[in-house]
Amino acid sequence: QVQLVQSGAEVKNPGASVKVSCKASGYTFTNYEINWVRQATGQGLEWMGWMSPSTGNTGYAQKFEGRVTMTRDTSISVAYMELSRLTSEDTAVYYCTRGLMATDWGQGTLVTVS
Amino acid sequence: EVVLTQSPDFQSVTPKEKVTITCRASQSIGSTLHWYQQKPNQSPRLLIKYASQSFSGVPSRFSGSGSGTDFTLTINSLEVEDAATYYCHQSSNLPRTFGQGTKVEIK
Repeated sequence: QVQLVQSGAEVKNPGASVKVSCKASGYTFTNYEINWVRQATGQGLEWMGWMSPSTGNTGYAQKFEGRVTMTRDTSISVAYMELSRLTSEDTAVYYCTRGLMATDWGQGTLVTVS
Repeated sequence: EVVLTQSPDFQSVTPKEKVTITCRASQSIGSTLHWYQQKPNQSPRLLIKYASQSFSGVPSRFSGSGSGTDFTLTINSLEVEDAATYYCHQSSNLPRTFGQGTKVEIK
């Protein structure tokens, strides 16, 4: 079955960077785009950007342009999302999702900036 | 950017009642509108894709309709396990966007 398994919780200082991984299994990694979505505590879902695992092409929400980088390692079917210059406003659960319709979601990674 | 506006923000409903949630897009997005359910401390789950297509394994009481700018998620005969927050999401245009969510509470 399809699984997206994300890396564990992180605590970062303001100004630091965080890199979250998303390990895909149960399907051909390069056939489906990966999107990243975040959710602050008690808040709604916020789309951050997408990446094509086959080409490496990316597209980011304007809010995160210049601060976010989405990459992948096709040899191990892992997608990464790195967010730099963290502030307290970046404290949230970060999700990776599979495909245009987000048919599958990772379990989420809590990033705390404090 | 396509803004998705859901209504209502909150709904308190008794079991077996029918629930209707609407999602209005700020511009036409065809049928590229999807619905998700999120329970507390869980990842969201896809319910309906492309406005009206039920996703695999989703109970038949969930249905979707609409196209263009106006969309509806309907839960027929609400069950206790349906208490959750529901989100619409468009994949028509970049940036992709979500509605603000509708919380459904069981009375």
